[in-house]
This record gives sequence, C-alpha cells and structure tokens, in this order.
Amino acid sequence: SQQGEEDPQALSIQEGENATMNCSYKTSINNLQWYRQNSGRGLVHLILIRSNEREKHSGRLRVTLDTSKKSSSLLITASRAADTASYFCATDGRSNYQLIWGAGTKLIIKP
Amino acid sequence: DAMVIQNPRYQVTQFGKPVTLSCSQTLNHNVMYWYQQKSSQAPKLLFHYYDKDFNNEADTPDNFQSRRPNTSFCFLDIRSPGLGDAAMYLCATSMRHTDEQFFGPGTRLTVL
Repeated sequence: SQQGEEDPQALSIQEGENATMNCSYKTSINNLQWYRQNSGRGLVHLILIRSNEREKHSGRLRVTLDTSKKSSSLLITASRAADTASYFCATDGRSNYQLIWGAGTKLIIKP
Repeated sequence: DAMVIQNPRYQVTQFGKPVTLSCSQTLNHNVMYWYQQKSSQAPKLLFHYYDKDFNNEADTPDNFQSRRPNTSFCFLDIRSPGLGDAAMYLCATSMRHTDEQFFGPGTRLTVL
C-alpha cells in the first residue's frame, strides 16, 4: 500500500533554479528516505532522515522532516540538467520490514 | 566496487513462456528484495528474503516465485508470464529491514 503522497507529481524548472518536492505520510515513522531514479534505471538512495531529526544536508540536497505534520520536503539547490529524474520518498511506517513508497515527483530541468 | 548486479538488463519472452531473472550482490547484505515497477510508478514489493527467511507479499501473484541459494544470489521466476507482467523488475539489498536500500539497474521485461 502507498503511504506517501508526493507533490507536485511533476515539476519543470530552469537550470540553476531550486527545486522543492514534498512528501506526506499517514502513520508514525522511524525514518524517511529519498531516492532518485533516472529514466529506465534503478533507484539511487539520496538521504535518510530519522524521526528525531528535523533537517539534513547532503551536497546540494536539503531534507526537512516535520513529524507533527507528517511531511517532508526535498530541496535541490542550483539545479543541473543531470538532476532530471523521478524522486521518491519512502517511509518505514513503523513496520517491521518494508518501506512504503510515495508515487514520486518527476523533475525536469530545462537548459 | 560493491554493487548489485541484475541480468539480463532486457528480457523478451513469449506469453506463457517461463523466464528467470537474476540478481547478485557483493555488499554481503542480509536482505534482498524484488520489486515490480510499471511506467515510473512507485516500486511494488513482490517479496524479500532476510537471509534465508522468505517473505511473500499478500498480493504477489502465484505466478511469481523466488529462490535465494546463497547470500549473494537471488532469482525471480515468472512461471507463465502474461501481458500484464511486462514491467521493470528491480532487485535491491539492505543490511537490515528499513535501512537504505541499494538497487540494481533493473531488468526490463517485455512479453509478446
């Protein structure tokens, strides 16, 4: 079952601009993860943020987590053409074994 | 480099003809997963192994089977592929449940 809802479903911006994607979830979590998937390829893990963390950075990526609102955001700064991909959030949903995936945001960076 | 490898990258089969997809890992992870993904939708978990312990998702069709003969290898068998089974099949690994997952490049299955 899909717990995560991501918005927007699709986002198109100019190279160099910042891109923000949001993820909402329904049940309490231990952690939330973001993945990137380039067209026709496997997923690549970007960041894992734990429920007791509010913000995490990795290079040009910034993830925030608001457990009171059950939501997370992924910010990509100074976007590049290579950032064109689908981005998925996934939560553990306090389950014992599986991740629960959002539907994804398709990001297009225009040169 | 430690990685997850899937073979073949592209598989074409005929309706009803059995097919086997393979996955290997050099990460020595305990958990191996098989996902089905259609048209850039979210990946759908089919089953997973924690070591040799097999876990089947309730809505995974009986048509789909899996084997994990050792830590490194895992196979997905589709006994009688239908047109609806055409999809990307992704293998992933993690050290523990709900840790970050490492994905292979996927196998694109076409059913004629």
